[in-house]
Amino acid sequence: NAGVTQTPKFQVLKTGQSMTLQCAQDMNHNSMYWYRQDPGMGLRLIYYSASEGTTDKGEVPNGYNVSRLNKREFSLRLESAAPSQTSVYFCASSEGRLVNEQFFGPGTRLTVL
Amino acid sequence: KQEVTQIPAALSVPEGENLVLNCSFTDSAIYNLQWFRQDPGKGLTSLLLIQSSQREQTSGRLNASLDKSSGRSTLYIAASQPGDSATYLCAVAPHSGNTPLVFGKGTRLSVIA
Repeated sequence: NAGVTQTPKFQVLKTGQSMTLQCAQDMNHNSMYWYRQDPGMGLRLIYYSASEGTTDKGEVPNGYNVSRLNKREFSLRLESAAPSQTSVYFCASSEGRLVNEQFFGPGTRLTVL
Repeated sequence: KQEVTQIPAALSVPEGENLVLNCSFTDSAIYNLQWFRQDPGKGLTSLLLIQSSQREQTSGRLNASLDKSSGRSTLYIAASQPGDSATYLCAVAPHSGNTPLVFGKGTRLSVIA
């Protein structure tokens, strides 16, 4: 039981490049989330998926797109990376009905030059 | 808009001391509150989840309390150890089941041997 997994762990991009961050969970959770963590700003929600087939914007969605591929997988895409998107990205999941305890992946550290 | 505050931002204590970390939130209409631990360069590990109907939860040397009416939660760590050194994050779920968490910025704890 791996919990929440994220790939890649580290990535360096040049401004304007695109990439997709992958997230998968094996806990049969309904809800999945993408957060970014920046020094002094704390954790901020980018997008979330309350259930398979639905996605909603969070606090900082600009410059990102998401896909809930199936119940297990939730990907985050940067179409044209900018230095302001340098951050640590965390994926999380929760059962999403009665008990909203969230479980986090190990994170992806992204640097945009 | 729900806001979560954690004071102090950093705390240093000698080994063996009992300590309390504080968390406050502006809107008392929460579904639950979750405490996390984050080690440097790592993801978030869930420590305790308190449902809105509960007053406290305990796990080993950790005890978390919740006072919804005053918008406060505390995390009590008994007999602190150097291995407890980490950043502790508090987060609230504003609504039921599948809503994203709102995070505080954390308290960075150092336990000195």
